[in-house]
This record gives sequence, structure tokens and C-alpha cells, in this order.
Amino acid sequence: SQTIHQWPATLVQPVGSPLSLECTVEGTSNPNLYWYRQAAGRGLQLLFYSVGIGQISSEVPQNLSASRPQDRQFILSSKKLLLSDSGFYLCACPPSGRVAGELFFGEGSRLTVL
Amino acid sequence: RKEVEQDPGPFNVPEGATVAFNCTYSNSASQSFFWYRQDCRKEPKLLMSVYSSGNEDGRFTAQLNRASQYISLLIRDSKLSDSATYLCAVISSGNTPLVFGKGTRLSVIA
Repeated sequence: SQTIHQWPATLVQPVGSPLSLECTVEGTSNPNLYWYRQAAGRGLQLLFYSVGIGQISSEVPQNLSASRPQDRQFILSSKKLLLSDSGFYLCACPPSGRVAGELFFGEGSRLTVL
Repeated sequence: RKEVEQDPGPFNVPEGATVAFNCTYSNSASQSFFWYRQDCRKEPKLLMSVYSSGNEDGRFTAQLNRASQYISLLIRDSKLSDSATYLCAVISSGNTPLVFGKGTRLSVIA
């Protein structure tokens, strides 16, 4: 069965510091991968999605970036965090054989920027 | 107008009650619709897809009204364990990613 690993689970970072969140997927190959952010009062916001290695689509202009160095690895980064980057970051992909909207989420990384 | 809108609630209902949520979407060409459940500080989990003809899974019924551009979720015989935030999600067209509403919070009270 498919699993999504995200780390770190929780982190507290100062404004201006760099960020790297990792997501790895097991149990599927060549998945579409998504990064969502859930900030207080703002709902789930799509940040990036990838349909393959090295292919990244950005949905929202911001100081974040994403990379997909391997088929089942998706990384979210920032060079300098802002207070507004605080939130719950979720990696997701559709389970094998399921339609695109039936997403399976990782357990998330909760970021607090101080 | 936002792409997907939901009443944030909270809906506070007694155990055993029937509760219904609606979710409106702005793009009339939207193709696929879903309900997710999210427990506090946890990741969302797919509850059910919404088919054109409507679908039922135990105490949960989802329906689509294309003319009025909304989907609904009906929960019968509410349980304490149904307390959560319910997110609707829509795929507008083709391979566009899933867009979520902000969610409706439900509290089922003993």
C-alpha cells in the first residue's frame, strides 16, 4: 500500500532562516505530487505540483520553491522565511489507480516562524 | 467570487441528529467533486467522491447539483466521532489540481 513520509513533523524557525521540508512516497511509481499549505483561517492552499522528475508547477507567487530530484521525492524550500510562511504543510498524491481528486496526504509538517 | 466556498460553521449538533453541509463552486465547467474529513491537527482524508447521480456510504450521502453549482454532504444519526472539519474539493477541468474549500467544522455533542 502507498505511504507518504514527511519530515520534520514540527519545526520552529526564526524569520529569515532557510527551510527544507521533505516528502517521500512509497508504494507507487511516477506519481503526481502536490504541496499544500494550511494556514490559520485560510484553508488548504495549493503551492506546487509535479507530474514528474524536474517538473514543477507553481500555483502561488511566494518566497518558496519546490524540487523533485527523484521520482518519489518532493522537497519544499525557502531561502528566507517570512512570518506568513507559518502553517501546516502537506504533501499529497493520488493512490495508484485512483482518480486525480482522490488524494492521499502525508501526516504533514507544522512550521512556526517567529 | 472564490472558487470553492463553504460555511465555516461551527455546526453544533446533538448525537443522533441529521446535519447537512453545502459547498458552492464558481466554475460551471467543474468536473469532479469530493468531500474530505480533517480531524484537529491531522491531515485531511478522503471521505467520499461525489457522483452526478449522488452516492451514499452508510450514514453519509453526497449529492451534486450542477444547475445551482453546489455539492452537499448529509450525515444521518450523528456520532461523537463525526466531530471534525469537512472540506469540499473540486477539480475544475482536465488535469488541473484539486481546489479545496476552507472547510466546515462540525461538533457533535453528547
